[in-house]
Amino acid sequence: DAGVIQSPRHEVTEMGQEVTLRCKPISGHDYLFWYRQTMMRGLELLIYFNNNVPIDDSGMPEDRFSAKMPNASFSTLKIQPSEPRDSAVYFCASRITWGYNEQFFGPGTRLTVL
Amino acid sequence: GQQVMQIPQYQHVQEGEDFTTYCNSSTTLSNIQWYKQRPGGHPVFLIQLVKSGEVKKQKRLTFQFGEAKKNSSLHITATQTTDVGTYFCAGSPWGGGYQKVTFGIGTKLQVIP
Repeated sequence: DAGVIQSPRHEVTEMGQEVTLRCKPISGHDYLFWYRQTMMRGLELLIYFNNNVPIDDSGMPEDRFSAKMPNASFSTLKIQPSEPRDSAVYFCASRITWGYNEQFFGPGTRLTVL
Repeated sequence: GQQVMQIPQYQHVQEGEDFTTYCNSSTTLSNIQWYKQRPGGHPVFLIQLVKSGEVKKQKRLTFQFGEAKKNSSLHITATQTTDVGTYFCAGSPWGGGYQKVTFGIGTKLQVIP
């Protein structure tokens, strides 16, 4: 199994530009989570999906952030327009409903907004 | 909302010394998970505790869940350089299901050889 796949691994953009982060969860997993990690705030849950449906987006910082999951094998997190304070590592994680509640994290996307 | 506090935030130990990190929740938890993140890596699941007072061991690592299910600890005996990384606890609120977890800020462990 390839694990959770995220792309790109690194993104450098200028303030005001649109940024799209991509995630492919582990096949068969029915939960998908987007997290943001910074030194100051640690790991913050932004949004999570169950069976492609957004369940809780209370962690999304503001309207500039949006996330979609058009099918079971793909999700995007979009920031438009991006700001320097959005610079962080964004992780996608997935898990299966039954058994251990272990979340499998992807390698992350390091976003730098200049 | 639920808050999960973790102390200390940083810890430097000499190789061979013991290490402990503590996790406290503002609300009762249904379960607590522990993750390890190596420098430059991503969080990796270590273990989950569910029962009040539960103690689990993985080789040199000992995990405890408090009787009131509001606190937890991770103890590493005789640290090794391979233990370097940041250790996170993550709790699910009681009655809130297992889906959503709140992560602590993490304890960054440095092991001096």
